[in-house]
Amino acid sequence: ETGVTQTPRHLVMGMTNKKSLKCEQHLGHNAMYWYKQSAKKPLELMFVYSLEERVENNSVPSRFSPECPNSSHLFLHLHTLQPEDSALYLCASSQVLGGQGRSPLHFGNGTRLTVT
Amino acid sequence: GQNIDQPTEMTATEGAIVQINCTYQTSGFNGLFWYQQHAGEAPTFLSYNVLDGLEEKGRFSSFLSRSKGYSYLLLKELQMKDSASYLCAVRDSNYQLIWGAGTKLIIKP
Repeated sequence: ETGVTQTPRHLVMGMTNKKSLKCEQHLGHNAMYWYKQSAKKPLELMFVYSLEERVENNSVPSRFSPECPNSSHLFLHLHTLQPEDSALYLCASSQVLGGQGRSPLHFGNGTRLTVT
Repeated sequence: GQNIDQPTEMTATEGAIVQINCTYQTSGFNGLFWYQQHAGEAPTFLSYNVLDGLEEKGRFSSFLSRSKGYSYLLLKELQMKDSASYLCAVRDSNYQLIWGAGTKLIIKP
């Protein structure tokens, strides 16, 4: 298996639930990212990890909690979410933080999250 | 603030040519990317421009003018499978990626 894999593909949760999104990359990359994608809006960068260390947290509410146990795995823990948090959550990886030259981000297929 | 503009939606005919424009205002410039995203799937890398001019890759070409803050993605010999959203992103002086909202391209037979 190659590339970036995200599970689950779809998730429906109530506002009082706790759930986790999982991302795994098989590319040997050193940087991993969580993005939120809402309809007709630009991708919103949520968290960035480089060599398992969080380097960016873009004013994301504390109900989203990331975890990076190693350079291949990234989690997003969710609790007491709001309906406006419903979106597609994309994980991405890159060779180095910020990219290098034409080195692009590689994305997973995302988790479609619905908060009821 | 930093901003990237691209049309929300475009429609084109199978076999034709379509040009998707992207204009940007960012703090510095370290390259421009185009990604393709089919519904329910991951964005996939299409092209990268850092110098002015045209980069051609098969049926797809991407153009950049840094002085005008402008790029376009040109798709030739359109196929039904080209129906997707096309995302423009600029890497700024801090090596942060600034994203446009994407252009949804609809191909009609």
